[in-house]
Amino acid sequence: RKEVEQDPGPFNVPEGATVAFNCTYSNSASQSFFWYRQDCRKEPKLLMSVYSSGNEDGRFTAQLNRASQYISLLIRDSKLSDSATYLCVVNTGGFKTIFGAGTRLFVKA
Amino acid sequence: NAGVTQTPKFQVLKTGQSMTLQCAQDMNHEYMSWYRQDPGMGLRLIHYSVGAGITDQGEVPNGYNVSRSTTEDFPLRLLSAAPSQTSVYFCASMSPAGANNEQFFGPGTRLTVL
Repeated sequence: RKEVEQDPGPFNVPEGATVAFNCTYSNSASQSFFWYRQDCRKEPKLLMSVYSSGNEDGRFTAQLNRASQYISLLIRDSKLSDSATYLCVVNTGGFKTIFGAGTRLFVKA
Repeated sequence: NAGVTQTPKFQVLKTGQSMTLQCAQDMNHEYMSWYRQDPGMGLRLIHYSVGAGITDQGEVPNGYNVSRSTTEDFPLRLLSAAPSQTSVYFCASMSPAGANNEQFFGPGTRLTVL
């Protein structure tokens, strides 16, 4: 079993749609959680951190459920520019960071 | 600040050749790392360093060497290239004092081994 698992997609949605990505992690001692965004043939960049209480940044909402070892990312009112791969990232302590394989999103006009 | 820089952007090697991928950062970050990214696999850690003079192996270190003589530079050496090393290589840096341990990535090196 992979340490961090994501649905690879792709998710194909129309502009304005709401889309949700899920991620599960296997190490119950994991300490911090992130979503990174990676555009085609580019490097990953931090989208947002994920806090236990849930957090929101504009159209993006991240949730963490430690009991179920589950992280989610909700994108509301999708834009064409949201088309990218979204990486679920888990830090298990110190510098040990595990990346999920990513979920691809295509937003269509 | 240039952030994290990598050279070259593209490279084609023949099996058995050696080469060095360069990585530099100007953010005075203590932690630097090398990942490879293959389709469907996510980023896998090759080697990392927590400071000048200190390096350690990650998940997939075989066939690669690193050194960290300065805080800024963290080169990755392929000793004898194999087709299985065809991949996209990313260098990253992180400061423990940074908010939520964000990693900053270089633009990547696309390597093909024939």
